[in-house]
Amino acid sequence: GAVVSQHPSRVICKSGTSVKIECRSLDFQATTMFWYRQFPKQSLMLMATSNEGSKATYEQGVEKDKFLINHASLTLSTLTVTSAHPEDSSFYICSAQSGGAEKLFFGSGTQLSVL
Amino acid sequence: GQNIDQPTEMTATEGAIVQINCTYQTSGFNGLFWYQQHAGEAPTFLSYNVLDGLEEKGRFSSFLSRSKGYSYLLLKELQMKDSASYLCAVKDDYKLSFGAGTTVTVRA
Repeated sequence: GAVVSQHPSRVICKSGTSVKIECRSLDFQATTMFWYRQFPKQSLMLMATSNEGSKATYEQGVEKDKFLINHASLTLSTLTVTSAHPEDSSFYICSAQSGGAEKLFFGSGTQLSVL
Repeated sequence: GQNIDQPTEMTATEGAIVQINCTYQTSGFNGLFWYQQHAGEAPTFLSYNVLDGLEEKGRFSSFLSRSKGYSYLLLKELQMKDSASYLCAVKDDYKLSFGAGTTVTVRA
């Protein structure tokens, strides 16, 4: 089946630093990738939708200057959390979609802890 | 926007059956998904319904009624490893939105 690789799986950083999370589709071309955030015991909240070669579409309330998304190729999307603060500590998950496929394939998630 | 509701918690005994209900209101509908998620892990796909009716896949079945905005996930012959959060998700024209999840605890 389709595989989406996400790394790092866990990162601990100091407040004020930036963290980059990568999401790769290993065996298919992902025209669209989605980034979700999940706080403990809560559901996944969509942050933004990225389409290859174009600017990401951010959900209401998500700061685009803080959460930079780049989808430079059909197999790679990156999320950069800039000037991270403790309140950004969360579980970040990417998912990838191929064309009009009805299923999304999820990465394994990144647990971000900002000290 | 979308409004997706499912119970917060359910408890059942090993070997029993549990039904998790999900109701939704959406401005566009392109399918309903059920995912299983263990703590600290990404969701894994369980089922997909786009037409009314029952989809059966081993111990898991999912039902959809589009006119009622209603779905359920049926877990049969519960095993301890089925203890997890179960997420109902609805796809509109371009994105997938998730319910808050139902935590199922299976007891011996």
